[in-house]
Amino acid sequence: NAGVTQTPKFQVLKTGQSMTLQCAQDMNHEYMSWYRQDPGMGLRLIHYSVGAGITDQGEVPNGYNVSRSTTEDFPLRLLSAAPSQTSVYFCASSSYQGSPETQYFGPGTRLLVL
Amino acid sequence: GDSVTQMEGPVTLSEEAFLTINCTYTATGYPSLFWYVQYPGEGLQLLLKATKADDKGSNKGFEATYRKETTSFHLEKGSVQVSDSAVYFCALSDGTGGGNKLTFGTGTQLKVEL
Repeated sequence: NAGVTQTPKFQVLKTGQSMTLQCAQDMNHEYMSWYRQDPGMGLRLIHYSVGAGITDQGEVPNGYNVSRSTTEDFPLRLLSAAPSQTSVYFCASSSYQGSPETQYFGPGTRLLVL
Repeated sequence: GDSVTQMEGPVTLSEEAFLTINCTYTATGYPSLFWYVQYPGEGLQLLLKATKADDKGSNKGFEATYRKETTSFHLEKGSVQVSDSAVYFCALSDGTGGGNKLTFGTGTQLKVEL
């Protein structure tokens, strides 16, 4: 049971480039989400999904796209990277069974935009 | 909207010292409250939680009590160890987004020295 996995671990982009951050979970969780972590600001919700085919915006969605074609995968796309998107990105998942508020986090992707 | 306020860090303590990290919140209704911990280079892990007023969450020697009258959820540990060095995040869930959306505080870094 791998839990929540994220790739890549570290990425450097130039301004204007695009890329996809991958997130996968093997716990059959319905709920998945993306956060960014910035110094002094904690974690802020970018987008979330309550199930395959359903996504919604969080607190800071601008510049990011998501889709959820399967239960397992929830990729985050940066369409045109900007230096303001330099951050650490965490994917998380949880289930509506048991304790739905308990989220399981991936190890993070550190992104540097030059 | 919902918000969580934590004490500024870093907090530096000697091993076996008493730890308190303050957390207060603003939310509508009756949120669930959480403490997550992030060890260096890793994603966040749930440390403890409380889902209703006067509940006490506990784990690994850490405790926090849900105080509705003071809207607080302070984290305490009687005797810290070097291995407790990490960043601690207070968070709440107000039941929106299927009950899985979390609002985080900015995090408090704890450093424990011998």
